[in-house]
Amino acid sequence: GNSVTQMEGPVTLSEEAFLTINCTYTATGYPSLFWYVQYPGEGLQLLLKATKADDKGSNKGFEATYRKETTSFHLEKGSVQVSDSAVYFCALPLTTYNNDMRFGAGTRLTVKP
Amino acid sequence: DAGVTQSPTHLIKTRGQQVTLRCSPKSGHDTVSWYQQALGQGPQFIFQYYEEEERQRGNFPDRFSGHQFPNYSSELNVNALLLGDSALYLCASTYQGGRGTGELFFGEGSRLTVL
Repeated sequence: GNSVTQMEGPVTLSEEAFLTINCTYTATGYPSLFWYVQYPGEGLQLLLKATKADDKGSNKGFEATYRKETTSFHLEKGSVQVSDSAVYFCALPLTTYNNDMRFGAGTRLTVKP
Repeated sequence: DAGVTQSPTHLIKTRGQQVTLRCSPKSGHDTVSWYQQALGQGPQFIFQYYEEEERQRGNFPDRFSGHQFPNYSSELNVNALLLGDSALYLCASTYQGGRGTGELFFGEGSRLTVL
């Protein structure tokens, strides 16, 4: 079945550093791909998505490009802020046209001032 | 506009007991799903309810059951609790018209500790 693998965490960066969180997927066909974020004390929320190969999803300064050649969907941000400290989850749908997700293990990001 | 609300926030049970968790979906949503998130892990899909019926189920035993009410709210029941059931239980809501969009809205969860 569909699955995602995220880089091991946690990740600690200084403010304004560049961020990359790796995500690779295994799937039948080319499903949409997602990044969700869980801020402290809050529920998970959709950060960005890409619906087809070569699509770039972006939101709040974060970007991720759907690369079918490398089956990857890495999350990047050019300059992180303290407020970006959270847990980030790569995800793909359980089935086509279904909003329920299979999530990666999550990567905890801590940004220090 | 209220988001997804869950209750209780925290609870402690002992092995063998039963627990019921509750969820009210975001306004306008008709589909509720439940996830289990063990410490340090990503959420794992338990099941989805739509039109008061279980529509999809993940790899969880029958000890996990649920219900959806006519107002779209939902309950998750876990019987014969095991230590391994200790986790954060997340409720997520969406709407059938938004299938495929990935727009799942999550509550903050109910943290269950089994002693």
